[in-house]
Amino acid sequence: AQSVTQLGSHVSVSEGALVLLRCNYSSSVPPYLFWYVQYPNQGLQLLLKYTSAATLVKGINGFEAEFKKSETSFHLTKPSAHMSDAAEYFCAVTGGSSGDKLTFGTGTRLAVRP
Amino acid sequence: GAVVSQHPSRVICKSGTSVKIECRSLDFQATTMFWYRQFPKQSLMLMATSNEGSKATYEQGVEKDKFLINHASLTLSTLTVTSAHPEDSSFYICSAWGLAGETQYFGPGTRLLVL
Repeated sequence: AQSVTQLGSHVSVSEGALVLLRCNYSSSVPPYLFWYVQYPNQGLQLLLKYTSAATLVKGINGFEAEFKKSETSFHLTKPSAHMSDAAEYFCAVTGGSSGDKLTFGTGTRLAVRP
Repeated sequence: GAVVSQHPSRVICKSGTSVKIECRSLDFQATTMFWYRQFPKQSLMLMATSNEGSKATYEQGVEKDKFLINHASLTLSTLTVTSAHPEDSSFYICSAWGLAGETQYFGPGTRLLVL
């Protein structure tokens, strides 16, 4: 079984500041890990994914995440926040097999202050 | 990336009526699709896994007779909310794995409001 924990349901940063959204996972098998972003009243858009290749994964919009097995973490970062980054972010895990269902974290709402 | 569409995007219906939501994979075939439900300011809750040509697999606590799922082709899955009640009001999202099987693509969601 897999699960993810997102620490901090709300994160607020100033425009231009570092964004750090935390995700820790639990999995009985080598995991695939994902970060998705959701804007109001919209579906989910894939930001990036880890599928057992490089541990530092770069995604869209300047986001990246690092898979750390020893810490069971997959934190999402962006060096400089933009106002347009304000959204809900979800970390998700699956068991590494094609077709497996995703298990989502509870989400982190990112606010960006001018 | 792969595209998944949903129709309608919003629907308002009276209590007791049934509502059908369509989920289509536009540029790839999907033998498996997933249906999620999302309440305001909450995460996605998996309702069921839709399998082409066979019965859907429902998550614990989801009423299969209330949420009917039909996956009649490799590009279309439908979710029918039968005898809808106000507590069924929610945001329903579908998804499907892309061709390589490494990324799950999501539809834009359907907002259902039952009066």
